Amino acid sequence: ETGVTQSPTHLIKTRGQQVTLRCSSQSGHNTVSWYQQALGQGPQFIFQYYREEENGRGNFPPRFSGLQFPNYSSELNVNALELDDSALYLCASSLEASAYEQYFGPGTRLTVT
Amino acid sequence: QKEVEQDPGPLSVPEGAIVSLNCTYSNSAFQYFMWYRQYSRKGPELLMYTYSSGNKEDGRFTAQVDKSSKYISLFIRDSQPSDSATYLCAMRAAGNKLTFGGGTRVLVKP
Repeated sequence: ETGVTQSPTHLIKTRGQQVTLRCSSQSGHNTVSWYQQALGQGPQFIFQYYREEENGRGNFPPRFSGLQFPNYSSELNVNALELDDSALYLCASSLEASAYEQYFGPGTRLTVT
Repeated sequence: QKEVEQDPGPLSVPEGAIVSLNCTYSNSAFQYFMWYRQYSRKGPELLMYTYSSGNKEDGRFTAQVDKSSKYISLFIRDSQPSDSATYLCAMRAAGNKLTFGGGTRVLVKP
């Protein structure tokens, strides 16, 4: 059974640019949640995708957007990057949207300069 | 004030000691309580899950939830150097959003 994978591992972008992060969910999981984890802090919920539809969103501006594909993999897009967007971006997959157990990927570390 | 508060540590203990971790929260709607372990530069890994109040034991780990005090705990018995990590509490109400504490860094010294 393949776990949750994310790409790329690391990324360096300049303020104002756009970035796309990718996540492959665990086999059989139809739900993907995205989190932002700043250094020394706990993860913060960005949004969740369930069967290709957004299914809940945290306190993040519209320049954070996402997509889920028919195979349940997902993308996180961030436009107009700001220095404060520098963080570890985690995706987590689960069997269903209501499932308590979420399996996290290793994350993508984004640095904005 | 954050919805979930957690002492950042570091909490340093000798090998074999009991590690005691806790979180307090303010949202009385939280029903599901979880503890995650996160090693450096890795994603969080679910350790324990508890629904509502009570205790739950799994091997060396014991999770406790006291909803009346809005307080949850995780105890690790017979701690090992491999337990050195950041421990995150997480909570969920009826919806799908997990709210995390800031994490406590634990160091188990041989």
